[in-house]
Amino acid sequence: DIQVTQSPSFLSASVGNRVTITCQASQDISNYLNWYQRKPGRAPKLLISDASNLETGVPSRFSGSGSGTEFTLTISSMQPEDIGTYYCQQYDVLVSFGGGTRVEI
Amino acid sequence: EVQLVESGGGLVQPGGSLRLSCAASGFTFTDYWMHWVRLDPGKGLVWVSRINRDGYGKTYADSVKGRFVISRDNAKSTLYLQLNSLRADDTGVYYCTRAPVATSGVVTANFDYWGQGSLVTVSS
Repeated sequence: DIQVTQSPSFLSASVGNRVTITCQASQDISNYLNWYQRKPGRAPKLLISDASNLETGVPSRFSGSGSGTEFTLTISSMQPEDIGTYYCQQYDVLVSFGGGTRVEI
Repeated sequence: EVQLVESGGGLVQPGGSLRLSCAASGFTFTDYWMHWVRLDPGKGLVWVSRINRDGYGKTYADSVKGRFVISRDNAKSTLYLQLNSLRADDTGVYYCTRAPVATSGVVTANFDYWGQGSLVTVSS
């Protein structure tokens, strides 16, 4: 099984700050890595697919990068509506999620 | 409008069974692989199972293998998950979600639409 390790597990950011979340896979997964945002009481929302493709309707302050085993989600300027928990997910071999990063203001 | 509507959750005793349903509408159901994902109170998102477009290809997480059964009825555009021999650590909100096949033929897990979730609580 492929393990996906996400860090940090929690971060607190000020409005306007740059936020970076990293995800490390236990083996090479090419670019088969997605990022989701989840808010309490709501279903997860796909933000970034295939490591760097911004989904339609997602603000351009979100971006993804990386390939192989190291990946990054960046929020260029933190906004109040960005609070929530972020998850990375690999699908190179079956499907597995990272442990999540809770982002607060 | 794409909709995925789950039903069938509830409170069940350890060792018991439940069947979850997910009614799909607003898209061609047979174009998509379908998955179940659990929101675990302590672990976050946990992938549970997937089924291919014709219903004959099924895969499970090790934690549910031999206890859960995924199926689909393409005539009814409905996905199912039969949960047997339930344990306390199966507790959580179960989401159905869809995954497209890329034009390249790669089977993705880009979960672009999710249901509202169905709460399963396993407790005595």
